[in-house]
Amino acid sequence: LAKTTQPISMDSYEGQEVNITCSHNNIATNDYITWYQQFPSQGPRFIIQGYKTKVTNEVASLFIPADRKSSTLSLPRVSLSDTAVYYCLVGESGTYKYIFGTGTRLKVLA
Amino acid sequence: EAQVTQNPRYLITVTGKKLTVTCSQNMNHEYMSWYRQDPGLGLRQIYYSMNVEVTDKGDVPEGYKVSRKEKRNFPLILESPSPNQTSLYFCASSLQGDTGELFFGEGSRLTVL
Repeated sequence: LAKTTQPISMDSYEGQEVNITCSHNNIATNDYITWYQQFPSQGPRFIIQGYKTKVTNEVASLFIPADRKSSTLSLPRVSLSDTAVYYCLVGESGTYKYIFGTGTRLKVLA
Repeated sequence: EAQVTQNPRYLITVTGKKLTVTCSQNMNHEYMSWYRQDPGLGLRQIYYSMNVEVTDKGDVPEGYKVSRKEKRNFPLILESPSPNQTSLYFCASSLQGDTGELFFGEGSRLTVL
């Protein structure tokens, strides 16, 4: 499975767009990319998943370049409640092992 | 309400005293798995199960056992807990194990003295 690398932490202000990039240089052809959000003392929660190009849902966008060696989670107009740890996960279709990285701790300031 | 339920949420025990952390999901998911979370190490997979009676090791299975006798339940067993198993444990389930869309429980914080 591809190992992922993310920045350890980021700070932002309310109302700004936040982009968190994940590096997965060894991603294989069948691998997909998933992002999770985790609040203190809670289990991670699914945000978005993608395979290539761009995926958008009601809470975030996921940008994946053509070489798929990285991906960027974009959170539009963050609020204080978006303060959390964000994990990038690369999972291989057809397997059942998941390797989470150490995550990015996002702090949104007023 | 669709959920993954873990029990106990908090437990303090002593070295060598067998314990079981239960996990139950009500979404008829085929796939279930256990993770431990430690500061600076993120989430690490312990065991997973693709369906009833089908389990396999994750990245850190040493010291743990699991069973999957029913589709909804996936208990984590620590036969002889040691202090290095002090951690925050999460159970997760997914409709299909290879989609990556995991639903997590609220976590079980275990302290082994």
